[in-house]
Amino acid sequence: SQTIHQWPATLVQPVGSPLSLECTVEGTSNPNLYWYRQAAGRGLQLLFYSVGIGQISSEVPQNLSASRPQDRQFILSSKKLLLSDSGFYLCAWSVDRGTDTQYFGPGTRLTVL
Amino acid sequence: KNEVEQSPQNLTAQEGEFITINCSYSVGISALHWLQQHPGGGIVSLFMLSSGKKKHGRLIATINIQEKHSSLHITASHPRDSAVYICAVSRGGADGLTFGKGTHLIIQP
Repeated sequence: SQTIHQWPATLVQPVGSPLSLECTVEGTSNPNLYWYRQAAGRGLQLLFYSVGIGQISSEVPQNLSASRPQDRQFILSSKKLLLSDSGFYLCAWSVDRGTDTQYFGPGTRLTVL
Repeated sequence: KNEVEQSPQNLTAQEGEFITINCSYSVGISALHWLQQHPGGGIVSLFMLSSGKKKHGRLIATINIQEKHSSLHITASHPRDSAVYICAVSRGGADGLTFGKGTHLIIQP
């Protein structure tokens, strides 16, 4: 069966510090991978998606970047965190684009102080 | 105006009541998703539908493509149904989901 992992579960970071969140998927090959963010009091927003190794598409210009160094690994990074980067970050995967169920990871709660 | 609108934003009901949550969208879609988010933050996909109606246990989801509207119904509601229910759409030609702001449902015993 397929499993999606995210770590860390929670993170408190000072403004200006770097960030690295990791997501890995088990039990499937060549998944589509997604990073979403849920800011306090706001809905979920798509940040990045990837259809293959090294292929990253960004939906919203921001202080963050994403990388996919391996087929089932998706990393969200920042060189310098802003207060506005605080939120709940969710990784998800699907088999097909657009018309397939998405499976979400447990999420990382990031607080930038 | 958001591309995906949900109503109501908050709903409190008594155990056993029939619950309806509505979702309207203004863009072309390839599919509509209903998601459930529990207090810990984890999200579970309940339904994905592009036409008609789907049923799973006490949950029913319907979609009217012409009216760009979907509803999620919960029959015989129970306190364990308390959660945030989120409507999301897959847009034609795009990747990832576009989300509504969610409906916070509380079922009181």
